[in-house]
Amino acid sequence: ILNVEQSPQSLHVQEGDSTNFTCSFPSSNFYALHWYRWETAKSPEALFVMTLNGDEKKKGRISATLNTKEGYSYLYIKGSQPEDSATYLCALFQGAQKLVFGQGTRLTINP
Amino acid sequence: SAVISQKPSRDICQRGTSLTIQCQVDSQVTMMFWYRQQPGQSLTLIATANQGSEATYESGFVIDKFPISRPNLTFSTLTVSNMSPEDSSIYLCSVARGASYEQYFGPGTRLTVT
Repeated sequence: ILNVEQSPQSLHVQEGDSTNFTCSFPSSNFYALHWYRWETAKSPEALFVMTLNGDEKKKGRISATLNTKEGYSYLYIKGSQPEDSATYLCALFQGAQKLVFGQGTRLTINP
Repeated sequence: SAVISQKPSRDICQRGTSLTIQCQVDSQVTMMFWYRQQPGQSLTLIATANQGSEATYESGFVIDKFPISRPNLTFSTLTVSNMSPEDSSIYLCSVARGASYEQYFGPGTRLTVT
């Protein structure tokens, strides 16, 4: 069974602070790593799709890095804002037409 | 991208009954996916809904419990049959785009079984 692990499971951060969390996955047969943001009562929203070792992607204050050889990805949020409060999901795509998701990191920004 | 709607957005159901969840996409797609997230668990793929053929179920999910219809390229339904409290979950439908399978999700159906 393919295991995608995210840590921590939950995180409380003061507004204005920066934070990061981790997604770990088996490094063999890697194809793509996805990050999603899921706000309560809304659709999960794709943040990044990363395919190459050493990939770095950025979207506003959010960025992500990928290390396929050691099997991890980091998501960084700079200067957290209350609207960043959400669950952040990573998912591994190894072909075979499906994604395997981690349990998510629930982020709460305290004003 | 794709715009996906789901009905109902939430429901509270009695044990032993069934609920059908509808998923509508704003464009034609070959495959649609149904996921479940039980409390504290990962988002887990239930099945892939294929137009014109039987759905493909993942290990641990069976057609009798989760029958799926796919009458055309923009619509699918998932039925949760003979419900028990363990079926209390968020159910999501999605479509995939691109070579890396970026997923576009509906807003989800929050189901509580009492």
